[in-house]
Amino acid sequence: QSALTQPASVSGSPGQSITISCTETSSGVGGYNSVSWYQQHPGKAPTLMIYDVSHRPSGVSNRFSGSKSGYTASLTISGLQAEDEAHYYCSSYVSNKSVFGGGTKLTVL
Amino acid sequence: QVQLVESGGGVVQPGRSLRLSCAASGFSFSLYAMYWVRQAPGKGLEWVAVISYDGTDKFYADSVQGRFTISRDNSKNTLFLQMSSLRPEDTAVYYCATSITVPGGAFDIWGRGTMLTVSS
Repeated sequence: QSALTQPASVSGSPGQSITISCTETSSGVGGYNSVSWYQQHPGKAPTLMIYDVSHRPSGVSNRFSGSKSGYTASLTISGLQAEDEAHYYCSSYVSNKSVFGGGTKLTVL
Repeated sequence: QVQLVESGGGVVQPGRSLRLSCAASGFSFSLYAMYWVRQAPGKGLEWVAVISYDGTDKFYADSVQGRFTISRDNSKNTLFLQMSSLRPEDTAVYYCATSITVPGGAFDIWGRGTMLTVSS
């Protein structure tokens, strides 16, 4: 069964860029192109930021971008803003099931 | 507008059962797969279950397989999660979600969630 590993926390200053990694740590193969990223502010439902590795839903700022290399997907946020401070979760969809990473707390210094 | 509203959460004793509901509006509910995702207090997201648009296909996380049943009533635009043999580790906010403008497996629409506490 697939497992996704994210760093517990990352931080950056306003205007900087940060990258959050999401590494598949199991024997799961295929379908890993179905990687999505979610932003969650405290007490709120998650919001989809990236799907299919690098696609942005309508309305999501182009400061958010996604990529993948091998078994590691990445979310990059450029031009950090205070409102970006939140938890971020990656997710993979394989064989009709989804799995989430453990989440990364982004702190904007 | 597109909306999902969960209900049915509360406090229940271990071993008991409970049914959650998710009322959908603003889109053609019967055309889309629906999902349940949960989040234990202070923890990350956990995918729980999915049901196909017509209810014929259902898949579950290993942690709830055999205890939870996902279902839907397309005539009432409502999704359900029947939970039995509840455990303290099932305590979480339960969200329903779907994929309307994006491929299945990515969730672009979420409800606000309903809180379930399993405790004696």
